[in-house]
Amino acid sequence: SQQGEEDPQALSIQEGENATMNCSYKTSINNLQWYRQNSGRGLVHLILIRSNEREKHSGRLRVTLDTSKKSSSLLITASRAADTASYFCATIAGTYKYIFGTGTRLKVLA
Amino acid sequence: DGGITQSPKYLFRKEGQNVTLSCEQNLNHDAMYWYRQDPGQGLRLIYYSQIVNDFQKGDIAEGYSVSREKKESFPLTVTSAQKNPTAFYLCASSREQGSYEQYFGPGTRLTVT
Repeated sequence: SQQGEEDPQALSIQEGENATMNCSYKTSINNLQWYRQNSGRGLVHLILIRSNEREKHSGRLRVTLDTSKKSSSLLITASRAADTASYFCATIAGTYKYIFGTGTRLKVLA
Repeated sequence: DGGITQSPKYLFRKEGQNVTLSCEQNLNHDAMYWYRQDPGQGLRLIYYSQIVNDFQKGDIAEGYSVSREKKESFPLTVTSAQKNPTAFYLCASSREQGSYEQYFGPGTRLTVT
């Protein structure tokens, strides 16, 4: 399967703690994106990191990319109950085809 | 408001019936996509379309069909040949190059009994 592998599959933390999730692929990574999905809803784009970037920040989000290891990580700092959701990585294969990871289910306890 | 809509939100069908899921976007995006999501799983690509009157099979196209007669619309038909059609179906669109973010609809949950 071309799907990306994400770990952990599920993560439960207390409000205010940091949450880290990782994504890895067997194929080369090209412009890695992270998405968020609230239960039973569509996905929402969070951040894009290009192949020539190693780290990117957006608000409480920090993303790293290691193309040699074909992996990426998403860090959410000072988590809130509203961050409870599933998080997916996605990369591009060819020009149009996106390949998503298996997802990490994050639960932030108030 | 610009966005992508899917209807209906919930759909129930009997086994052996074909069913068509609607997807409409007013973002002026060229590319549109259909994904299937099973419980606790990631997204798997069914079909994608780069431009009107053109579409390509994804990883799990068997038992599905699509059309792209208008830029705004990309309906998905789940045929009776699809062995396990019960799932959450997500439609998405993006600008012409694959490095751009995808915009997702709210999804349609299909239950076939």
